[in-house]
Amino acid sequence: GDSVTQMEGPVTLSEEAFLTINCTYTATGYPSLFWYVQYPGEGLQLLLKATKADDKGSNKGFEATYRKETTSFHLEKGSVQVSDSAVYFCAPAGGTSYGKLTFGQGTILTVHP
Amino acid sequence: KAGVTQTPRYLIKTRGQQVTLSCSPISGHRSVSWYQQTPGQGLQFLFEYFSETQRNKGNFPGRFSGRQFSNSRSEMNVSTLELGDSALYLCASSLNAPRRGNTEAFFGQGTRLTVV
Repeated sequence: GDSVTQMEGPVTLSEEAFLTINCTYTATGYPSLFWYVQYPGEGLQLLLKATKADDKGSNKGFEATYRKETTSFHLEKGSVQVSDSAVYFCAPAGGTSYGKLTFGQGTILTVHP
Repeated sequence: KAGVTQTPRYLIKTRGQQVTLSCSPISGHRSVSWYQQTPGQGLQFLFEYFSETQRNKGNFPGRFSGRQFSNSRSEMNVSTLELGDSALYLCASSLNAPRRGNTEAFFGQGTRLTVV
């Protein structure tokens, strides 16, 4: 079945630092790839997505590129803010597995002023 | 456009009882998925419904069941509650039309179930 390996946290950064959260996956078919973010006490929000190889998803300064050859979808941001503090989840959605996102364990990010 | 609505937000139940959680998807979305989130196991897929049919199911015991109505609203039911069922239950809606692959899922805020 599908699986995700996400960079272990927690990750603690100072404001304006560079962020990378690594994600590698295995999935059946040709998956779509997603990053979700969860703020305390809330559900998951879609952060960005990519649906085919070499696609770059971007949103709110975050970026991730669909690398089929390395089965990776690393999340990056050039300059983090305190408001980015949250839990980040990488999730492939296998093309033959309707409605099922396979989540990594999540990476807790804390950004200090 | 209204988002995904889950009710209730919080529930406290006793072991052995049963519980029903409700989810109203985004208008026009016919796919509804359910997930259980716990500190130990993370986010785990329960099941997915599309046009009132269960298309996909995770590895949970038969005590966990669901259904979808003709207006795409969905309910999940947990019977004979156990302490380990305490979790945040998240519902997600998406388009996921047949043979089009998985599109992005939009999540509700979840129902926090506590079993005592």
